[in-house]
Amino acid sequence: DAGVTQSPTHLIKTRGQHVTLRCSPISGHKSVSWYQQVLGQGPQFIFQYYEKEERGRGNFPDRFSARQFPNYSSELNVNALLLGDSALYLCASSSGQGVGELFFGEGSRLTVL
Amino acid sequence: AQSVTQPDIHITVSEGASLELRCNYSYGATPYLFWYVQSPGQGLQLLLKYFSGDTLVQGIKGFEAEFKRSQSSFNLRKPSVHWSDAAEYFCAVALRGGYSTLTFGKGTMLLVSP
Repeated sequence: DAGVTQSPTHLIKTRGQHVTLRCSPISGHKSVSWYQQVLGQGPQFIFQYYEKEERGRGNFPDRFSARQFPNYSSELNVNALLLGDSALYLCASSSGQGVGELFFGEGSRLTVL
Repeated sequence: AQSVTQPDIHITVSEGASLELRCNYSYGATPYLFWYVQSPGQGLQLLLKYFSGDTLVQGIKGFEAEFKRSQSSFNLRKPSVHWSDAAEYFCAVALRGGYSTLTFGKGTMLLVSP
């Protein structure tokens, strides 16, 4: 069975540009969460979606947005990129909306120049 | 403020020796507790979790963790480390009754020497 898949795996952008990251959850999982992991730090929660509705949002500026599609895949969008947005962006899926086991993808590594 | 502390940034252990990685949390109530491992270029893999019940939790790859309420700690242990255990380890917590939102510590990098 396929795990959580993320694309692209690596990308380079320049300041001011925008980026879209994509995530496909494990089949049957209805919840998708996004985390940002800056080098040398633990992952930080950005968003959680369940059944296409936003269920939680971390302490990130409005430049960050996300959505979940009817097939439960998800996109994370970041506008007006800053150097500090350089990070590994992790997507995780779970079967329910409550705390259980989160299954993480391998991440999308974003470098902002 | 709620927080998770992993006081050791790096730990070096000889292969075959025992391991203990420390984790302390600061929350108003006992949260759900997790340990994840991240190998280079990989995502996070769940090692074990504590929700309730027996305070000694067994996980995958021979790891275990003990929840100590009085010390607000959830330390990870392994009796004999293998070279393949070299990775970064993250302690994480989640509020009870909430959505699946994890708060992670900063991680501990485990190096295994021959």
